Amino acid sequence: DQQVKQNSPSLSVQEGRISILNCDYTNSMFDYFLWYKKYPAEGPTFLISISSIKDKNEDGRFTVFLNKSAKHLSLHIVPSQPGDSAVYFCAPGAQKLVFGQGTRLTINP
Amino acid sequence: NAGVMQNPRHLVRRRGQEARLRCSPMKGHSHVYWYRQLPEEGLKFMVYLQKENIIDESGMPKERFSAEFPKEGPSILRIQQVVRGDSAAYFCASSPGLATGELFFGEGSRLTVL
Repeated sequence: DQQVKQNSPSLSVQEGRISILNCDYTNSMFDYFLWYKKYPAEGPTFLISISSIKDKNEDGRFTVFLNKSAKHLSLHIVPSQPGDSAVYFCAPGAQKLVFGQGTRLTINP
Repeated sequence: NAGVMQNPRHLVRRRGQEARLRCSPMKGHSHVYWYRQLPEEGLKFMVYLQKENIIDESGMPKERFSAEFPKEGPSILRIQQVVRGDSAAYFCASSPGLATGELFFGEGSRLTVL
């Protein structure tokens, strides 16, 4: 039962360009949608979120877009920096967060 | 550091032994979640607890796994009679229970079953 899918296991982007990470979900009951960033051997850290009543939320270089009709979520990072290289998880939730499989983002100098 | 504290960070057990993983939530947080990450996979929800209560254990295997969050002390995830398939990173997260859903994660406990 995969409620959350991140179909790109990996993504490679040149420094300074835009990184776009995608996420699809099936459960229309999710109230909020979060993105987490994870470095090896560390716990996930919260990046940005959006509630189900909005379609866009921006925080500095990070913007999350929500298309409820398509049940699709995306994270835009611009400009991408080498320190952004990590695994990114989308995590929609109601009472608990349900994590996607993650996308490994590599920013090339 | 007032973050979520997990210990041990690394644990090695032989098949059939017991593993106990501990989690102290952030100060002021009364909600604790346990997630498991198998190699090359995402985080899978296991259990959600509040003080002295299990709220949602829909992700817990039916046998050998148990969790508690007593009135005093850390939350404990207990795995009895471990098998090789239990080898994974176990992450604990806590929250104050806000509607935003943000969870604060610890650094994880990595269990290796020989």
